[in-house]
Amino acid sequence: KQEVTQIPAALSVPEGENLVLNCSFTDSAIYNLQWFRQDPGKGLTSLLLIQSSQREQTSGRLNASLDKSSGRSTLYIAASQPGDSATYLCASITQGGSEKLVFGKGTKLTVNP
Amino acid sequence: GAGVSQTPSNKVTEKGKYVELRCDPISGHTALYWYRQSLGQGPEFLIYFQGTGAADDSGLPNDRFFAVRPEGSVSTLKIQRTERGDSAVYLCASSSKRGSTDTQYFGPGTRLTVL
Repeated sequence: KQEVTQIPAALSVPEGENLVLNCSFTDSAIYNLQWFRQDPGKGLTSLLLIQSSQREQTSGRLNASLDKSSGRSTLYIAASQPGDSATYLCASITQGGSEKLVFGKGTKLTVNP
Repeated sequence: GAGVSQTPSNKVTEKGKYVELRCDPISGHTALYWYRQSLGQGPEFLIYFQGTGAADDSGLPNDRFFAVRPEGSVSTLKIQRTERGDSAVYLCASSSKRGSTDTQYFGPGTRLTVL
């Protein structure tokens, strides 16, 4: 059974800082790994999708990497802004099973002006 | 185009009552998913539809929960004899073909409160 863990649970940084959010998963046989953003009381917004054959994906100030062999993914946020404050969730779909996403509990990020 | 929509946005009911939650996926998306999110947790899978059929319902917690997608578009999640432990945000997502290859797009959720 796939288990996804995110560290840290919460992170507070000053505006402008570069930061890394970590995600680990127990079963490396995945189809893909997806990073989401969730604002309070809102649904999830997809940020980046990394297929199992890929090592990283980039979108603007965001860069996500995937290392299947070690069961890890990182989300790098450059030059953080107060508008980046949200909860960031990672999730994966495991091969040989359903098409369901298995989520971590998320990292709550606060960027202070 | 329009994203995934869910109605109602909030639902308050009494213990023992029946509720229906509706999801309108992105037009043309064949795959539809229901998840449940409790406070401070990540979403947990409930059920996955490919077209009209439930391809995986292994996440439904018990037989009080049931979901349908009769025409391969709109889906309804039905909960009978609601319990306080059913209180959570119910999220719906859709993808164009399969979650293993395509991004899942989420709706805003329905917050269910069982008193």
